[in-house]
Amino acid sequence: AQSVAQPEDQVNVAEGNPLTVKCTYSVSGNPYLFWYVQYPNRGLQFLLKYITGDNLVKGSYGFEAEFNKSQTSFHLKKPSALVSDSALYFCAVRDGGNNDMRFGAGTRLTVKP
Amino acid sequence: NAGVTQTPKFQVLKTGQSMTLQCAQDMNHEYMSWYRQDPGMGLRLIHYSVGAGITDQGEVPNGYNVSRSTTEDFPLRLLSAAPSQTSVYFCASSYSRGGEYGYTFGSGTRLTVV
Repeated sequence: AQSVAQPEDQVNVAEGNPLTVKCTYSVSGNPYLFWYVQYPNRGLQFLLKYITGDNLVKGSYGFEAEFNKSQTSFHLKKPSALVSDSALYFCAVRDGGNNDMRFGAGTRLTVKP
Repeated sequence: NAGVTQTPKFQVLKTGQSMTLQCAQDMNHEYMSWYRQDPGMGLRLIHYSVGAGITDQGEVPNGYNVSRSTTEDFPLRLLSAAPSQTSVYFCASSYSRGGEYGYTFGSGTRLTVV
């Protein structure tokens, strides 16, 4: 079955600095990759996805992610972090050949003023 | 178009009690699934369904039952609640058509078993 690893439990950045949240994946077929964000006591909100096409995917709130097939990675990035970006971020992968989606353990992003 | 609706939003159960978490979607999505979210473990797949009448187990199915009698509804049943089932539960529905793929989550049910 497919799996996702988010190697960092916590990422801390200063407001205005670039941020990166890391994600690596494992699938047997073609990967469908996703990033979701969760604010306290809220559900998951979709940020962006990679299905096919350009390796650089742009999403909501100024976030983007780069699909790297050779490194099996899909890191989330933002050029200039905001305090309001502080939240829990989940990477997820679906194997194109099946229907269920698997999530990473999540990375808590804290942006300090 | 309400999306994915979960009820209740909060529930407290005593050990051994049973209950059903409701999930309904109005987007005519074929695929529905249930996840539980626990601190440090992300979302783990409990059960999923690829269409009415078809269900299958995910990563952590023990202690839970599901059924899919209609496209719209996918209830999750706890037969005999245990403290280990204290968690936040999310229902999701998705589609895959013509190369497009979408996934929508409900707002979650916070369950406490005492």
